[in-house]
Amino acid sequence: EAQVTQNPRYLITVTGKKLTVTCSQNMNHEYMSWYRQDPGLGLRQIYYSMNVEVTDKGDVPEGYKVSRKEKRNFPLILESPSPNQTSLYFCASSPPTSLNIQYFGAGTRLSVL
Amino acid sequence: SQKIEQNSEALNIQEGKTATLTCNYTNYSPAYLQWYRQDPGRGPVFLLLIRENEKEKRKERLKVTFDTTLKQSLFHITASQPADSATYLCALDMEYGNKLVFGAGTILRVKS
Repeated sequence: EAQVTQNPRYLITVTGKKLTVTCSQNMNHEYMSWYRQDPGLGLRQIYYSMNVEVTDKGDVPEGYKVSRKEKRNFPLILESPSPNQTSLYFCASSPPTSLNIQYFGAGTRLSVL
Repeated sequence: SQKIEQNSEALNIQEGKTATLTCNYTNYSPAYLQWYRQDPGRGPVFLLLIRENEKEKRKERLKVTFDTTLKQSLFHITASQPADSATYLCALDMEYGNKLVFGAGTILRVKS
């Protein structure tokens, strides 16, 4: 089944404790992206990647890191999480000829205490 | 920067009626506009894409219009059903092929 898989689905952590949210897609898509979703603000893009070893900042990159060492994986790293990073996070991928139609994962709900 | 406005208030309609959701944007016109559906606890799912040179697009009970003069897209669901209850998001391209900007979404509730 074609899908984007995120792990974990739920995570509670404390301020300053490094964490990684994994994202993997099995559709051989070149483009991958991370979003956060907050009430009233909609989906905001954190980082995106056009291909392996090519990443760029989205609208809200502060406090986040990403890497793209393989085409299928695009982990999101929070080196020192803070409470304002409590949010619902989505990974998405997109094939190159689709006019950026996004295929989303199921989401990761993160709480930073 | 580009701003997108969708009705923040939920839209409540009766089963069988047509639901119409609005997406307004400011600044420059995008090359295309997309609509997604999001159910609670799930990721958004793509529904329809309409290009700037298209006035209307249909898919089964769904219809999208795109008016670049008004800077507005309308999303219609005809013969609505309770199963259509969800949050609907519109999204516009920022740089062709690179980024999308999403609206906050409108909650649709269809009552039987």
